[in-house]
Amino acid sequence: DIQMTQSPSTLSASVGDRVTITCRASQSISNWLAWYQQKPGKAPNLLIYKASSLESGVPPRFSGSGSGTEFTLTISSLQPDDFATYYCQQYNSYSPLTFGGGTTVDIK
Amino acid sequence: QLQPRESGPGLVRPSETLSLTCSVSGGSIKKNDLYWGWIRQPPGKGLEWIGSIFHGGSTYLNPSLKSRVSFSVDTSKNQLSLRLTSVTAADTAMYYCASGREGYSPLDPFAVWGQGIKVIVSS
Repeated sequence: DIQMTQSPSTLSASVGDRVTITCRASQSISNWLAWYQQKPGKAPNLLIYKASSLESGVPPRFSGSGSGTEFTLTISSLQPDDFATYYCQQYNSYSPLTFGGGTTVDIK
Repeated sequence: QLQPRESGPGLVRPSETLSLTCSVSGGSIKKNDLYWGWIRQPPGKGLEWIGSIFHGGSTYLNPSLKSRVSFSVDTSKNQLSLRLTSVTAADTAMYYCASGREGYSPLDPFAVWGQGIKVIVSS
């Protein structure tokens, strides 16, 4: 299995802050990485695919970077609607597809 | 846009079989040759991929669940189904159905998710 490790697990920030979340893969996954946002009681929502491509309808304050084993999700200026949990997911291998453990962004 | 919606029992007894259905509206389940995935999330925990299925029947399963899981697809009803046998409390979770983004491969992020269905395993 490809293990996906996110850090930090919890992040406290204020509106307007620049926020960065890291995701590390246990082996190279090229750029086959997605980021999702999940709010309480809701299904996850795809933000980023292929490590850095912004999904349609997602605000441009979200960006992704990285390749191989190290990836980051950046929110350039945190907005009230962004307080949520974020997950990375590798889709380089389906044996199995795996998600990171999640990073919760809460209000400082 | 294709929209999945999960349905099934909210309560299942231990050792029994969980059966869930994903009904797709807004177009054909064959559209864009997308793969369809099942993902679950235990209460307060992260996401676990159960497996993915193609409308033609090709199936990819999480090895950790492979011995207990099976999928089927009914293109005439625009539905997918999941069966999970010999359930235990560890199978208590929110179960989601989701479509791939680009199609033709199970190696595809999940672009459109259903609202999920909460399943509790308890006697």
